[in-house]
Amino acid sequence: DAGVTQSPTHLIKTRGQHVTLRCSPISGHKSVSWYQQVLGQGPQFIFQYYEKEERGRGNFPDRFSARQFPNYSSELNVNALLLGDSALYLCASSFDPLNTEAFFGQGTRLTVV
Amino acid sequence: KQEVTQIPAALSVPEGENLVLNCSFTDSAIYNLQWFRQDPGKGLTSLLLIQSSQREQTSGRLNASLDKSSGRSTLYIAASQPGDSATYLCAVSNTDKLIFGTGTRLQVFP
Repeated sequence: DAGVTQSPTHLIKTRGQHVTLRCSPISGHKSVSWYQQVLGQGPQFIFQYYEKEERGRGNFPDRFSARQFPNYSSELNVNALLLGDSALYLCASSFDPLNTEAFFGQGTRLTVV
Repeated sequence: KQEVTQIPAALSVPEGENLVLNCSFTDSAIYNLQWFRQDPGKGLTSLLLIQSSQREQTSGRLNASLDKSSGRSTLYIAASQPGDSATYLCAVSNTDKLIFGTGTRLQVFP
């Protein structure tokens, strides 16, 4: 069975640009969450989607947005990129949003220059 | 506000040692606690999930315990191997999200 897949794996963008990151959850999982991990820190929660609806949002500016599609895949969009947005972006999938095991993808390494 | 702390921040041990990694959290109202492994620059690999009603879980050489009342979890690694070298993260599930500690960076040398 395929695990959580994220694309692209690496990305270099210029300040002010826009970026779209993609995630495909494990088959049968309906919940997708996004996390940002900067070097030396634990992942920080950005969004959770379940059944195509936003279920939770972390303390991130409105430049960050996301959506979930009918096939449960998800996109994370970041507008007006800042140098501080450089990080590893992780997608997690789970069967439901609360009480089941979360599985993570390999991440997208975003570098803003 | 839930806060998760992991001690020690780094650990270097010879192969074969038994290890204990510690995780503490400030709010006992959690759904579950999950331990992950992260290799440099990679994603997270789930190791063990402990539901809030459980006391421990075991998988191979790994054993994780949970004491909700004291806000603590430990990950025990038996007979450590160089391939166990990685960062180990614990996370508590709180409504809509996982809240992570900053991890313990483990190095096992031959």
